[in-house]
Amino acid sequence: AQKVTQAQTEISVVEKEDVTLDCVYETRDTTYYLFWYKQPPSGELVFLIRRNSFDEQNEISGRYSWNFQKSTSSFNFTITASQVVDSAVYFCALSEATAAGNKLTFGGGTRVLVKP
Amino acid sequence: KAGVTQTPRYLIKTRGQQVTLSCSPISGHRSVSWYQQTPGQGLQFLFEYFSETQRNKGNFPGRFSGRQFSNSRSEMNVSTLELGDSALYLCASSLGGSGGVYEQYFGPGTRLTVT
Repeated sequence: AQKVTQAQTEISVVEKEDVTLDCVYETRDTTYYLFWYKQPPSGELVFLIRRNSFDEQNEISGRYSWNFQKSTSSFNFTITASQVVDSAVYFCALSEATAAGNKLTFGGGTRVLVKP
Repeated sequence: KAGVTQTPRYLIKTRGQQVTLSCSPISGHRSVSWYQQTPGQGLQFLFEYFSETQRNKGNFPGRFSGRQFSNSRSEMNVSTLELGDSALYLCASSLGGSGGVYEQYFGPGTRLTVT
């Protein structure tokens, strides 16, 4: 069975600090996909990134960066120079490619609070 | 392109009643998934529909059901409501298809309160 663990339930930082969110996953499949979503107070989940298990290159998008390490089953997310608008709950999710269709297994989420 | 829309946004029901929630996916998306979000259980997958067929199902009782129409719009129904069904119900759409896993785009959710 697949499982996603986000050990940090809440992180509080001051604006302009960097913040790293940890994500550890478990799966028996060799082909799988990892995702990060942001859930602002409005409630709608916003897609941030999708990464497949064969692509271990790190990715940077503006102030966001992701570090995928298959050896440790981790897919960590860093926000550089955080801003108040980054305050949200962030979810890491996993989808196994062998399963029929699309089914996301989510971690418990990490609440990020960025103080001005 | 318009995003995923869900109606209604808020709903209050009484135990024992039934409820139907609606979801309109992004134009061109053929897969619709439903998730339940509660403070205790987090985000849990309910089911997924693709081309009017249920393609995947989570571990929820049979009181939870859904369907998809030919225009890809989807509805989910919960019968004999229980207090524990109070949750934010999120709908997500994706391109779907076989041979790949696509990113899912979520709607704003329907907040269901059961009293």
